[in-house]
Amino acid sequence: NAGVTQTPKFQVLKTGQSMTLQCAQDMNHNSMYWYRQDPGMGLRLIYYSASEGTTDKGEVPNGYNVSRLNKREFSLRLESAAPSQTSVYFCASKIVAGGAGELFFGEGSRLTVL
Amino acid sequence: GEDVEQSLFLSVREGDSSVINCTYTDSSSTYLYWYKQEPGAGLQLLTYIFSNMDMKQDQRLTVLLNKKDKHLSLRIADTQTGDSAIYFCAEEDSSYKLIFGSGTRLLVRP
Repeated sequence: NAGVTQTPKFQVLKTGQSMTLQCAQDMNHNSMYWYRQDPGMGLRLIYYSASEGTTDKGEVPNGYNVSRLNKREFSLRLESAAPSQTSVYFCASKIVAGGAGELFFGEGSRLTVL
Repeated sequence: GEDVEQSLFLSVREGDSSVINCTYTDSSSTYLYWYKQEPGAGLQLLTYIFSNMDMKQDQRLTVLLNKKDKHLSLRIADTQTGDSAIYFCAEEDSSYKLIFGSGTRLLVRP
């Protein structure tokens, strides 16, 4: 069972470069999320998509864009990477946005911006 | 805005009970969650509690909710070395987004 798959797992960028983190889920979930995890700060929500065709800003959206390509895929783009975006990025999905359903996480993408 | 706070570190001896505490701010949260993160992995749901409950037990795990004080705790009975991980408390805000605490690193000493 694949669950939530993120690529790449590791990436090193120079300041100003752009890149896209890819995320796909095979559980037919409606809602998808992008979080970043920094030491001592827990997980902070960057963007989310409650359903196919919608995207909304989370707590820390500046410097990022997202695309909900279809029900399965939700990508996160850094247009001009900055050292402050060095972090571990997690994609997650849930069957629907509300209710007690579990949020399923990918294994994370570790990004370093030099 | 909503905020979830946890202590950063807890160390216990194998076989003892562990209690991880959390405070949250959004009194309208319908569900409160505990997630576990092992090294190099994403988070996994451990358990959750509905806001109209004050206790939930699931094998070695006991969740206590004090809604008046907005305090949530997770007790792990007979803690094992395999329980060493980071534990995150989370509340669901009014837009159904999960707001996570900063995580409590549990170290279980043999």
